[in-house]
Amino acid sequence: AQSVTQLDSQVPVFEEAPVELRCNYSSSVSVYLFWYVQYPNQGLQLLLKYLSGSTLVKSINGFEAEFNKSQTSFHLRKPSVHISDTAEYFCAVSDPFRGAQKLVFGQGTRLTINP
Amino acid sequence: NAGVTQTPKFRVLKTGQSMTLLCAQDMNHEYMYWYRQDPGMGLRLIHYSVGEGTTAKGEVPDGYNVSRLKKQNFLLGLESAAPSQTSVYFCASSYFAGGPEDTQYFGPGTRLTVL
Repeated sequence: AQSVTQLDSQVPVFEEAPVELRCNYSSSVSVYLFWYVQYPNQGLQLLLKYLSGSTLVKSINGFEAEFNKSQTSFHLRKPSVHISDTAEYFCAVSDPFRGAQKLVFGQGTRLTINP
Repeated sequence: NAGVTQTPKFRVLKTGQSMTLLCAQDMNHEYMYWYRQDPGMGLRLIHYSVGEGTTAKGEVPDGYNVSRLKKQNFLLGLESAAPSQTSVYFCASSYFAGGPEDTQYFGPGTRLTVL
């Protein structure tokens, strides 16, 4: 069975500092990888996803994630964070060979931006 | 275009009571999902539906029932609520293919407390 581990439950950083949120997955087959973001008191929104091709994927608000097959990782990075990035971030995987998208989520990482 | 809406936003039940959570989407999506979110555990799939009139079990289906009588609505029922069902419940929907690469669109959530 697939599983996702987010190595940090909380990450506090100062505004304009870089940040990395770590995600590792375990799967014996190919996977699709996702990062979802949950702003306070809201539902989850897709931030970015890796399906195939270039291992570096980017979001419209400056986040990027790199798929590393050998290390089974999909870490999320941003070179300079803003107060508005305060949220909980979830890494998720799905099996490309299944008919329905059954996402398996990690435990979440709460990103707190300090001024 | 409201996206995915959930009713109610909050609810407090006593052990043994029953209730139904309603999820509605106006994006003409075929696939719909119910998740529960618990602290430190991410989101876990309860049930899902691949189209009107169909339902299937997810990772944690026990104690819940679902129905999809209309394409736009997905109902989650608790027949006899237990304190272990205290959680935040999220509904999501995805596009017609519902394939593993799909983007799921989430509702704002329902916070349920069972006393």
